[in-house]
Amino acid sequence: DQQVKQNSPSLSVQEGRISILNCDYTNSMFDYFLWYKKYPAEGPTFLISISSIKDKNEDGRFTVFLNKSAKHLSLHIVPSQPGDSAVYFCAVPIPSGGYQKVTFGTGTKLQVIP
Amino acid sequence: EAQVTQNPRYLITVTGKKLTVTCSQNMNHEYMSWYRQDPGLGLRQIYYSMNVEVTDKGDVPEGYKVSRKEKRNFPLILESPSPNQTSLYFCASSFGRGHTEAFFGQGTRLTVV
Repeated sequence: DQQVKQNSPSLSVQEGRISILNCDYTNSMFDYFLWYKKYPAEGPTFLISISSIKDKNEDGRFTVFLNKSAKHLSLHIVPSQPGDSAVYFCAVPIPSGGYQKVTFGTGTKLQVIP
Repeated sequence: EAQVTQNPRYLITVTGKKLTVTCSQNMNHEYMSWYRQDPGLGLRQIYYSMNVEVTDKGDVPEGYKVSRKEKRNFPLILESPSPNQTSLYFCASSFGRGHTEAFFGQGTRLTVV
């Protein structure tokens, strides 16, 4: 059973507009969330993260919002640029027997149209 | 330059022929992981390692082995590859545990025929 879900496989946005990528999770005990970006033929790269003690974290054009009651987080990109076209994954570290696994969502492919 | 290096980048092999994909990081990170990426399934963690000689299963460990004899290296071993292990594999490392930023390698495209 998927503990982290990205229900939109793809998203198209005009350059300069806002991109909103969504992620839902199942367990209210999750306490940290990360977003990664992946270009074709490259490994994922870290983008931004948020702790469950916050409801917003901002880094330049990228802002992540966390709604704990809805078990939902979203990544906002404003303004969107063609170079933002990539696949975006949300990820959650999950305690596992004293260690920590990491579970990723299935990804959302963002296309920013010039 | 801080990096995670995987080799090979591309590999075509036959069913049952043992293979190893190497992964090395130069950042003195404690936490290392292997993932596979498949269409529609995202990234799924195969194995991870908290430190030297400390490894544990991720979500899809069947058919894989790992070892962590040195801090910098974390090879992925397929003792008897099967076609369902055809995938894109990524190694990653991070300073802390899963809640810290992970650095990924460039990926290894494996085809098992």
